[in-house]
Amino acid sequence: QVQLQESGPGLVKPSETLSLTCTVSGVSIHNNYWSWIRQPPGKGLEWIGYIYSSGSTNSNPSLKSRVTLSIEMSKNQFALKLTSVTAADTAVYYCAKSIGAAPLEFWGQGTLVTVSS
Amino acid sequence: QSALTQPASVSGSPGQSITMSCTGTSSDVGGNNYVSWYQQHPGKAPKLIIFDVSNRPSGVSNRFSGSKSGNTASLTISGLRAEDEADYYCSSYTTTNTVEFGGGTKLAVL
Repeated sequence: QVQLQESGPGLVKPSETLSLTCTVSGVSIHNNYWSWIRQPPGKGLEWIGYIYSSGSTNSNPSLKSRVTLSIEMSKNQFALKLTSVTAADTAVYYCAKSIGAAPLEFWGQGTLVTVSS
Repeated sequence: QSALTQPASVSGSPGQSITMSCTGTSSDVGGNNYVSWYQQHPGKAPKLIIFDVSNRPSGVSNRFSGSKSGNTASLTISGLRAEDEADYYCSSYTTTNTVEFGGGTKLAVL
């Protein structure tokens, strides 16, 4: 079955870069869209962006200048980098497989990233 | 402030049907048929229950149905059960190829 697993530091200092990796199993990363979504504690979902296996990306206009999405075919992984983080970036970060670019068909369990000194 | 507007809460009794709304604009909900709905229980990842306005993924109960009229999409849950108590989020693809979420609706099964 399709499984996604987020990994990365749970604590990031303000002004530094948040880096997360999503490892995919049960399906090839080829010819699929892969997304990142976040959820601040007690709040709603926020779409961060998606990457297609070709490397093309799109991201939330409110985060675009700070977001880098990448894909590592050989490892069946994709990654998120978010620069210049502040406390407002504290959230559970989810990775997901999309049907096309939009419906998020399979989700990882999520990983809490806290921004604090 | 979320791009898509959802009521903060709805409630119903077991066995009843409820409908919740998701209002956007012609740039998102009204501009295509790529509206999705997600169910999220506390501490869990969201689960896709409706995609492309009215389609159910394999394994999702037919008690869940979706529709759309103009800039407003709706999710109906029939035969309410205690396990349906959760947060529900709508989402839409946009005319600029981005994705937006609603603020979420908390469903209480009384």
